Amino acid sequence: QKEVEQNSGPLSVPEGAIASLNCTYSDRGSQSFFWYRQYSGKSPELIMSIYSNGDKEDGRFTAQLNKASQYVSLLIRDSQPSDSATYLCAVGTNAGNNRKLIWGLGTSLAVNP
Amino acid sequence: IAGITQAPTSQILAAGRRMTLRCTQDMRHNAMYWYRQDLGLGLRLIHYSNTAGTTGKGEVPDGYSVSRANTDDFPLTLASAVPSQTSVYFCASSDQGRGGHEQFFGPGTRLTVL
Repeated sequence: QKEVEQNSGPLSVPEGAIASLNCTYSDRGSQSFFWYRQYSGKSPELIMSIYSNGDKEDGRFTAQLNKASQYVSLLIRDSQPSDSATYLCAVGTNAGNNRKLIWGLGTSLAVNP
Repeated sequence: IAGITQAPTSQILAAGRRMTLRCTQDMRHNAMYWYRQDLGLGLRLIHYSNTAGTTGKGEVPDGYSVSRANTDDFPLTLASAVPSQTSVYFCASSDQGRGGHEQFFGPGTRLTVL
């Protein structure tokens, strides 16, 4: 059973701080990794994708991937109250010709003004 | 249309009734998916379609059916709704032709079965 694990939180950080969200996965063959943001009552929105070991930066967001440790993280710099949401980690898997995502249950982030 | 649309936005349905949730995308993505999202259980894949004319079962397919007559539309049908199908349903699409897994979601349908 392929799994993606996240701490459910809530993770609470003060405005302006760095929020660090973590995700581990079980399938060593996974090649693609994604972070989605989901506001309450809304649909998941893709914010970061990463495919290679190391860091990938996009604005205030940095995704970090370590395939040897089967670990992917999301750093949010200068956190804002508008970043308060649930962050979903998803890992791409190939089963024959089927490309699917395995989803974590999400980490709830609260950024306090 | 920009992206993925779903209809209806919300629905209250009597148990035993038939219901079709609609999903349309205008991005010409080849793959489409239906998920349900329940508190504590996360996103669970119901059915998927890798290309028009083909469909496959996800992890929770029982009680649901899909069809993919063309690239743009991927309706989900509940033949005889039961209260356990009360959930938020999301449709998503992906351009697997480019080799990616990125999925893009519609706004969702909130379904209540009484």
